[in-house]
Amino acid sequence: EAAVTQSPRNKVAVTGGKVTLSCNQTNNHNNMYWYRQDTGHGLRLIHYSYGAGSTEKGDIPDGYKASRPSQENFSLILELATPSQTSVYFCASGDARWGGYEQYFGPGTRLTVL
Amino acid sequence: QQKVQQSPESLIVPEGAMTSLNCTFSDSASQYFAWYRQHSGKAPKALMSIFSNGEKEEGRFTIHLNKASLHFSLHIRDSQPSDSALYLCAVSRGSNMGYKLTFGTGTSLLVDP
Repeated sequence: EAAVTQSPRNKVAVTGGKVTLSCNQTNNHNNMYWYRQDTGHGLRLIHYSYGAGSTEKGDIPDGYKASRPSQENFSLILELATPSQTSVYFCASGDARWGGYEQYFGPGTRLTVL
Repeated sequence: QQKVQQSPESLIVPEGAMTSLNCTFSDSASQYFAWYRQHSGKAPKALMSIFSNGEKEEGRFTIHLNKASLHFSLHIRDSQPSDSALYLCAVSRGSNMGYKLTFGTGTSLLVDP
C-alpha cells in the first residue's frame, strides 16, 4: 500500500502568522498535490508538482506557496495566515502506472486560524 | 475551468439495495474519470476509474461513462452499512496535465441496516 504522511495533524495558528504544512511520500511518485476540503466545496486543488524542484498553481493558489525540494517531500506554506484558510488540508501523490492512475492521500491536517 | 457536479447531495438506502450516484462534467476533452470514497474523518481513497466509454465492473461496483453526455455514474449492488461514506467523483484531462483532478462536491451515502 502506498504511503503518504502529513505533519502536523492538527495546527492552531494566529492571523498573520506563518504556517508550514509538510508531506512525505514513500511511493516514488512523480506527482504530488495539495488540496483543501471544506463543507460544500469538496476537494479543491491548491498547488501541485511534477517532480523535485517543480511547483504549479492549482485552482485556488492565492495566499499559498508550495515547495518540492525532493521527490519525497512537498510543503504548503501560508506566509500570512487568515481565518478563511481554516480548513482540512490533504496531500496526495500519484502516478500513471500499468495503464491506470490513482492518487494516494495522506491522513489530512486540520488547520484552525484564529 | 472544469466544472464537476454530483447528484444527489445525500442519499439514504436500505441495506441490500442498489445505489446509483451521478457525476456531470463540463470539459469534453476529459480523458480520465474516477470515483473516490471517504469515510468520516478519514482520507479519500480511490474506488475505481475508467478511461473509455462504456461500463466497468469490479465486485459490487460498476462505473458507467458516456462522454457524449458529459456524464458518468457509480452503481453499488447489494449496498452494505460499510459503504456509508462520502463519494467524490473526479475528472482529468489525463497525463498531459499531470493527471490534475477536479473533484465534485460529493454525495453523502448512508446505508441503513
